[in-house]
Amino acid sequence: EDQVTQSPEALRLQEGESSSLNCSYTVSGLRGLFWYRQDPGKGPEFLFTLYSAGEEKEKERLKATLTKKESFLHITAPKPEDSATYLCAVRSNTGNQFYFGTGTSLTVIP
Amino acid sequence: DVKVTQSSRYLVKRTGEKVFLECVQDMDHENMFWYRQDPGLGLRLIYFSYDVKMKEKGDIPEGYSVSREKKERFSLILESASTNQTSMYLCASSLWAGVAGELFFGEGSRLTVL
Repeated sequence: EDQVTQSPEALRLQEGESSSLNCSYTVSGLRGLFWYRQDPGKGPEFLFTLYSAGEEKEKERLKATLTKKESFLHITAPKPEDSATYLCAVRSNTGNQFYFGTGTSLTVIP
Repeated sequence: DVKVTQSSRYLVKRTGEKVFLECVQDMDHENMFWYRQDPGLGLRLIYFSYDVKMKEKGDIPEGYSVSREKKERFSLILESASTNQTSMYLCASSLWAGVAGELFFGEGSRLTVL
């Protein structure tokens, strides 16, 4: 069964304190792994798509990496405006559905 | 940029009322989805549609129906709203073809059923 597990559930960082969020997945043939950012009361905002193991994508202070079993979202020198919930999702080759993790709630303290 | 627009950001309805949530996308995407999001439960798929007039049940379709008469519009209908349907409802769209077909979400509709 396709599934996604994210850890930790919540993370508090001091401004400038780098860290990583984890997304572990099982899927019958990966079509894509996706990272989203969600601010309170809003819809998820698309960040990255990763297609195959070894791939990396970067955007400002965020860098996403992918292995055959997990993905990491690295946050370098975070700022308070990076505070949000980060969601991971996968889509398999065999279906039309997306499978989401429950997210990591990130708080960056000034 | 892809734009997914949900008709109402906030709704308050009474138990037993019929509720319509509408979603429009402007990027000619084949696939459209309705999710609900609840604390601790994450996003759960209610229904999705891969073409006009086509629909498939997701994980939690009970108490909901959908309508897709035009490619750009996907409506979620609560025939008789109940308090356990109080939630954030998210519409999304994606391409069918293409390498991965990322989901693009609307801003969400916060429904409260009293």
